[in-house]
Amino acid sequence: AQSVTQLGSHVSVSEGALVLLRCNYSSSVPPYLFWYVQYPNQGLQLLLKYTSAATLVKGINGFEAEFKKSETSFHLTKPSAHMSDAAEYFCAVRRRAGSYQLTFGKGTKLSVIP
Amino acid sequence: EPEVTQTPSHQVTQMGQEVILRCVPISNHLYFYWYRQILGQKVEFLVSFYNNEISEKSEIFDDQFSVERPDGSNFTLKIRSTKLEDSAMYFCASSEVGGGNEQFFGPGTRLTVL
Repeated sequence: AQSVTQLGSHVSVSEGALVLLRCNYSSSVPPYLFWYVQYPNQGLQLLLKYTSAATLVKGINGFEAEFKKSETSFHLTKPSAHMSDAAEYFCAVRRRAGSYQLTFGKGTKLSVIP
Repeated sequence: EPEVTQTPSHQVTQMGQEVILRCVPISNHLYFYWYRQILGQKVEFLVSFYNNEISEKSEIFDDQFSVERPDGSNFTLKIRSTKLEDSAMYFCASSEVGGGNEQFFGPGTRLTVL
């Protein structure tokens, strides 16, 4: 069975500071990996995904994530936080074959302090 | 930009009543999904649907749940006899195909069972 662990249910950063949201996965083979963002009263929006090839993935709104197989990690970063980045962020995994269900982490709520 | 829509945004029902949650997936998408998020917990997979049949379901998706694509545009989740623990946000999602394809999520329906 696969699982996702997001360290830190709540992260606060100052505006302009580095954003680092951590995600570790457990899977017998490298899965597909996703980061979703949820703004208040909205659905989940895909930020970026890792499916193969390049291990450094760039997404929308200046976010990027690096797949590290040796660490079973897929941490999300952004060099400079903006007030509009305040939201909840979910890491998710999906098996490469045989199942399309996403397994989500518990989410990390990001607060940006002006 | 095409989007997944869900109705209603909020549904309040009495325990034991039947509810139907409705979704309109993106028009050219072939895979449809339901997820739920109990307050404060992870987003959990319920069921996936392809070619007019369930392709995968979780252990949460018991006999009280059913899904249907009654016409060419709608995708519904029915809960036959609601329980207090069914109170959650229910998200519909759709994707073009399987593989590493992005699942597009709707804004959710908040179900409150009294």
